[in-house]
Amino acid sequence: DSGVTQTPKHLITATGQRVTLRCSPRSGDLSVYWYQQSLDQGLQFLIQYYNGEERAKGNILERFSAQQFPDLHSELNLSSLELGDSALYFCASSVAVEDNSPLHFGNGTRLTVT
Amino acid sequence: AQKVTQAQTEISVVEKEDVTLDCVYETRDTTYYLFWYKQPPSGELVFLIRRNSFDEQNEISGRYSWNFQKSTSSFNFTITASQVVDSAVYFCALSSYTGGFKTIFGAGTRLFVKA
Repeated sequence: DSGVTQTPKHLITATGQRVTLRCSPRSGDLSVYWYQQSLDQGLQFLIQYYNGEERAKGNILERFSAQQFPDLHSELNLSSLELGDSALYFCASSVAVEDNSPLHFGNGTRLTVT
Repeated sequence: AQKVTQAQTEISVVEKEDVTLDCVYETRDTTYYLFWYKQPPSGELVFLIRRNSFDEQNEISGRYSWNFQKSTSSFNFTITASQVVDSAVYFCALSSYTGGFKTIFGAGTRLFVKA
């Protein structure tokens, strides 16, 4: 058990809809990362937060947004969903600001857009 | 540019065989960190090892060993006497200053170990 909790485990929704994925980091970790894993794109870094502040952005679409709350949990919001957004979304946490400490991953949220 | 290449998409071995998973990385930084993660069929990603760029010592942990060679920009992973439970996707990853210390992952190598 990594200590990182992601909810929900599975999400099925229709195109055009909006969903929110939730992540609670491991106790003591201040950094939260979101990754998207799809068959054709592999593991893609989306965004990183540290102690409530956005630290780094990757290949995150404008339709996607995220935030980290004072209690350090994070939410990833996906809107105007398209079929291509179907993927496994991972949250990870780490202790350090600089990403040189190992990432501890949650079990992921599998999003299916129909 | 930061890049991690895992040229082997899939490898299939028979139990008890040794297998090496290749990883080649690109970075202009002198300080960087390399990682291996395992993703078993259950789906979670599990950290296996971290190595910084100043430590080229090979590491062994049980049946797992890692060979880091800066001269060839490689960080290869060997499983000795493979077992069915080793069947998983293995990801090599890199983080460095130029990349904002974002961890970027290779495409992964799917390992099948047959009984």
